[in-house]
Amino acid sequence: QSALTQPASVSGSPGQSITISCTGTSSDVGGYNYVSWYQQNPGKAPKLMIYDVSYRPSGVSDRFSGSKSGNTASLTISGLQTEDEADYYCTSYTSGITLVFGGGTKLTVL
Amino acid sequence: EVQLVESGGGLVQPGWSLRLSCRASGFTFGDHGMAWVRQAAGKGLEWVGFIRRNAYGGTTEYAASVKGRFTISRDDSKRIAYLQMNSLQTEDTAVYYCAKGRGNSWFSDAFDFWGQGTMVAVSS
Repeated sequence: QSALTQPASVSGSPGQSITISCTGTSSDVGGYNYVSWYQQNPGKAPKLMIYDVSYRPSGVSDRFSGSKSGNTASLTISGLQTEDEADYYCTSYTSGITLVFGGGTKLTVL
Repeated sequence: EVQLVESGGGLVQPGWSLRLSCRASGFTFGDHGMAWVRQAAGKGLEWVGFIRRNAYGGTTEYAASVKGRFTISRDDSKRIAYLQMNSLQTEDTAVYYCAKGRGNSWFSDAFDFWGQGTMVAVSS
């Protein structure tokens, strides 16, 4: 199972919106509504930001939203804040009854 | 407060075995699937495998890269999940995280709590 494809880096200014894409295939992202997104700060454990494509866990800011179209899922962060600077990973359930992660995207808030 | 504490990491030689433990507290352990995820230094996250709650038979799923070498088990009475790693290879070197499945479904596709990780280094 190949890793999902994410851009290596994205950047934005405070207050702006950014979108991180996560591209897979019909055997993972496109086939199931089981895409999640995690935020990871250096040296820390990942934090769940979005699950099942577009649902936010309790306590996660509504500035974070998720969507999916075909084989590509997206994480959008609106009203960018300096504290959003981190690595972001998508993950998807697969037809092989496994989970596959994306390669990760480094978000820089300029 | 949910807590997951991994232990058992260390430095081993190629071909050796190691068992990691993940001690859980703050939630009904038996109601959730548990997963192991690893991260090599400077690299991305890699799903290692998952064990279902006993209501679903406590069955397991593994990534192709570890299938046949790694085994996940659980002891609900002790609230511990284990990762038995055999025939370790240099490419298994990573920080290993345990994670709690969100919800109580047959397959946990999302993890709402993670441990702090334990380092496994495989080197001769």
